[in-house]
Amino acid sequence: GENVEQHPSTLSVQEGDSAVIKCTYSDSASNYFPWYKQELGKRPQLIIDIRSNVGEKKDQRIAVTLNKTAKHFSLHITETQPEDSAVYFCAVLSGGYQKVTFGIGTKLQVIP
Amino acid sequence: DSGVTQTPKHLITATGQRVTLRCSPRSGDLSVYWYQQSLDQGLQFLIQYYNGEERAKGNILERFSAQQFPDLHSELNLSSLELGDSALYFCASSAQVGYNEQFFGPGTRLTVL
Repeated sequence: GENVEQHPSTLSVQEGDSAVIKCTYSDSASNYFPWYKQELGKRPQLIIDIRSNVGEKKDQRIAVTLNKTAKHFSLHITETQPEDSAVYFCAVLSGGYQKVTFGIGTKLQVIP
Repeated sequence: DSGVTQTPKHLITATGQRVTLRCSPRSGDLSVYWYQQSLDQGLQFLIQYYNGEERAKGNILERFSAQQFPDLHSELNLSSLELGDSALYFCASSAQVGYNEQFFGPGTRLTVL
């Protein structure tokens, strides 16, 4: 089955700096790569996603890049703010009926 | 509020017991996913249903089962409960399978004593 590795597991940055979280996957047939943000005690919420036919997608301060050859994708957050502090999960969907595999999560702390 | 509802919010039970968790998807969503979130395992995909049919299976134990009813709500049944089953169980819904955003419910916190 699909194997997703997410790094780093924790990340501390100063407010205003950039944060980068990387995920690698194993199934070359995987075709959809969403990122979810989960604040403490709350449900995961989609923040950005990318499909396998696109290399990069940007939404304000958040961007995702996908390298299908190397089988990795990354989340980039620029100009970080304290409200960006949360756990971020990458996910990979594969198979005809979209079996979902999540990364282990990255706890991001933005220090004011 | 995502529009996905889950009941109950909290459930405390004993080992060996059986419980049922319920999920109502967003209006119009046909697909329901179940996830287990524990501290050391992250988010684990359990099972997916689309319009009443099972479509994908993840790391779901044989002691667990699920179904989606004609009104599209779904239930996750957990039996012969063990201490290690204590976790937060999320359901999520999406309009269809595939490249669609999943909307998560608030979760059911299960504690097995």
